[in-house]
Amino acid sequence: QSALTQPPSVSGSPGQSVTISCTGTSSDVGSYNRVSWYQQPPGTAPKLMIYEVSNRPSGVPDRFSGSKSGNTASLTISGLQAEDEADYYCSSYTSSSIPVVFGGGTKLTVL
Amino acid sequence: QITLKESGPTLVKPTQTLTLTCTFSGFSLSTSGVGVGWIRQPPGKALEWLALIYWDDDKRYSPSLKSRLTITKDTSKNQVVLTMTNMDPVDTATYYCAHIREVEMAIDYWGQGTLVTVSS
Repeated sequence: QSALTQPPSVSGSPGQSVTISCTGTSSDVGSYNRVSWYQQPPGTAPKLMIYEVSNRPSGVPDRFSGSKSGNTASLTISGLQAEDEADYYCSSYTSSSIPVVFGGGTKLTVL
Repeated sequence: QITLKESGPTLVKPTQTLTLTCTFSGFSLSTSGVGVGWIRQPPGKALEWLALIYWDDDKRYSPSLKSRLTITKDTSKNQVVLTMTNMDPVDTATYYCAHIREVEMAIDYWGQGTLVTVSS
């Protein structure tokens, strides 16, 4: 069982917006702003899309945005495109022996 | 340009020890704020942290696997080695090594991954 909870799947039509949630606890998401999001198309390695809750690495489209409220972080993808179809994982710093935990992943389907 | 590449056996037998090597370029593991970690992903399942080693040789392990894991670094060779003992079929997974920025706790570079199958 993953430490962070994500919905198994979300879907949207091209041009729409979708939001993926990532719920943790006061030991991780709730206490630290070191939340990241990763995109993983089938058969490929994950790619960093968001770090420190809402920062985008160079080259990531501004259609991708992140936010946090309490123990829940969110990734919003606006203006959905077919190429956005992938699995998305959140991660957070945590005050435990292994300092990072992942969510269980969310499969995004572009209808 | 930062790159990482995993190497090691693709097939191991149950009870054997797995040794994986991560060879990287474009950064030094003696630079403050840098870490290299190992993450695995069973087929069709989620990512799972295994171990992490920092620039100052601080080592962290998954609590559930700690007794089976050892992570070491060779700064002169730009390599990080992970050993996992007593392999079981449930350890079948793609194993990734990755570059992590300690301040942000973000994995900004990933290796391509290597599929390890545990079977007799």
